[in-house]
Order: sequence, then structure tokens, then C-alpha cells
Amino acid sequence: SQTIHQWPATLVQPVGSPLSLECTVEGTSNPNLYWYRQAAGRGLQLLFYSVGIGQISSEVPQNLSASRPQDRQFILSSKKLLLSDSGFYLCAWSRGPSMQGYTFGSGTRLTVV
Amino acid sequence: KNEVEQSPQNLTAQEGEFITINCSYSVGISALHWLQQHPGGGIVSLFMLSSGKKKHGRLIATINIQEKHSSLHITASHPRDSAVYICAVKAPPMDSNYQLIWGAGTKLIIKP
Repeated sequence: SQTIHQWPATLVQPVGSPLSLECTVEGTSNPNLYWYRQAAGRGLQLLFYSVGIGQISSEVPQNLSASRPQDRQFILSSKKLLLSDSGFYLCAWSRGPSMQGYTFGSGTRLTVV
Repeated sequence: KNEVEQSPQNLTAQEGEFITINCSYSVGISALHWLQQHPGGGIVSLFMLSSGKKKHGRLIATINIQEKHSSLHITASHPRDSAVYICAVKAPPMDSNYQLIWGAGTKLIIKP
């Protein structure tokens, strides 16, 4: 069966520090991968999606970047965190453009102080 | 106006009540998702619908493509059903946009 792992679960980082959140998927190949952010009390906002290794699409201009160095690995990064980067970050995967089997990771709660 | 509207925004009910959460959308879609977000933040996909009705345990999801409306029903509600329920729609395949269009969510509280 397919599983998705996301870590860390919580993170407190000072303003200006770098960020690296990692997401890996097991049990499938060539998944579509997504990074979402959910600000407190708000809905989900798609940040990045990837349909293959090295292929990253950005939905929202921001202080963040994403990379997909391997088929089942998706990394969210920042060189210098801003206070506004605080939020709940979720990784997800799906099978192809039909988005069958949309599955979320457990999320990372990031607090920038 | 948002492309995906959920109602109600908040719902508090007593254990055992029949629950209905509604989702209306204004765009053409290829599929609609219902998801559940637990208080801790984790999100679980409940259903993906493109037509008709699906049932899983005490949860039932229906969709009316012509009316652009979907409902999520919970029978014999229980406090553990307390969560935020989110509706999201996917544009047709000819649209290469991989985004889901998300509703704002319905916060459900079931009191014992």
C-alpha cells in the first residue's frame, strides 16, 4: 500500500533562518506531488506541484522554493524565513492528472519567531 | 464569489443526529473531493466523486452534476466525527491546471 511521510511534525525557527521540509512517498511510482500551506483559520493554498523529477510548478509567488530530486521525494525550502511563512504545511500525492487517490501527509506546523 | 462554497461554516449537533454538509460550485468539474481535517491538522480523503453517490460506513456523499452541488451526510453522528470537512473540486482533464479548488471548510462539533 502507498504511504506518505512528512517531517518534522513541528518546527520553530527564527526569522531569517533557512527551512527544509521533506516529504517522501512509498508504494507508488511517478506520483504527482504537492505542497500546500494552511494559515491559521484559513483554507488550503497550493504552493507547488510536481509531475516528475525536476519538474516544479509554482502557484503562488513567495519566499519558498521546492525541489524534487528523486521520484518520490519532494522538498520545500526557504533561504530566509519570514514571519508570514508561519503556518501548517501539508504534502500530498495523487495518481496522475485525474488526481485519483489524493493523499495528504500528516503536516508540519511551522512557527517563525 | 468563491468558486466553491460550503455551508454551513460551523455546525454543532448532538450525538446521534443526522448531519448534512453542503458544497456548491460554479465551475465545470471532472471530480469532487470530500476531505476531513482532524483537530491536530491531519487531512484524510473521504471520497472522490464524479457522479451519483458513494457510501463508506456512516458517511454518504452525493453529487448532482447538473445542479453543481454535493452533499456529505453523516448518520448516527458521534463526537469522534468532530472535524473540519472540506470540499474541493478538480477542473476537467482538458485543463492542465493541477489545482484543486478548495472550499473554506465546515467545522463540525458533535456534543455527547
